[in-house]
Amino acid sequence: KQEVTQIPAALSVPEGENLVLNCSFTDSAIYNLQWFRQDPGKGLTSLLLIQSSQREQTSGRLNASLDKSSGRSTLYIAASQPGDSATYLCAAQDSNYQLIWGAGTKLIIKP
Amino acid sequence: NAGVTQTPKFQVLKTGQSMTLQCAQDMNHEYMSWYRQDPGMGLRLIHYSVGAGITDQGEVPNGYNVSRSTTEDFPLRLLSAAPSQTSVYFCASSLSTGGLGGYTFGSGTRLTVV
Repeated sequence: KQEVTQIPAALSVPEGENLVLNCSFTDSAIYNLQWFRQDPGKGLTSLLLIQSSQREQTSGRLNASLDKSSGRSTLYIAASQPGDSATYLCAAQDSNYQLIWGAGTKLIIKP
Repeated sequence: NAGVTQTPKFQVLKTGQSMTLQCAQDMNHEYMSWYRQDPGMGLRLIHYSVGAGITDQGEVPNGYNVSRSTTEDFPLRLLSAAPSQTSVYFCASSLSTGGLGGYTFGSGTRLTVV
């Protein structure tokens, strides 16, 4: 059974720093790996989707990588801003198209 | 604005009561799903639908029913509420099952069962 883990559960960094959020999964037979952002009291927003055949995806200051052999994905945020404060969740999509979710990393960017 | 609309935003139920959480989307998405989010845990899939008239169970379907009579609507029914169903519920939709166009989430329903 696929399990997805995100460590740490919370992270606080000063504004302007580059940072990396981690996501690990136990079964490498994934369809894709997705990253989402969740703001308090709001729904989730899709950030990046990496197909199983891809190694990375980029959108603005965000870059997500995927290493299926090691069961890991990272989300790199460049030049962090207070507006980046949110909870970031990763989800591994299996061959039945079901999303298996991590519990998320709560990110706080200090001005 | 195009998106996923969930109602109500908050609800308190007594044990044994039933209710329906509403979810509607106006993007002509075929795939719709319901998740619950509990503290310290990832989202868990309750039920999903790949199109009107088609529904299937997810990871935690017990105590919940769904129907999909139209492309737009995907209500979630709690048959007899239990304290274990206290959670935040999210409805999501996607153009396709694989989610290649991304997923659109509603803003959630915070349910408390006392």
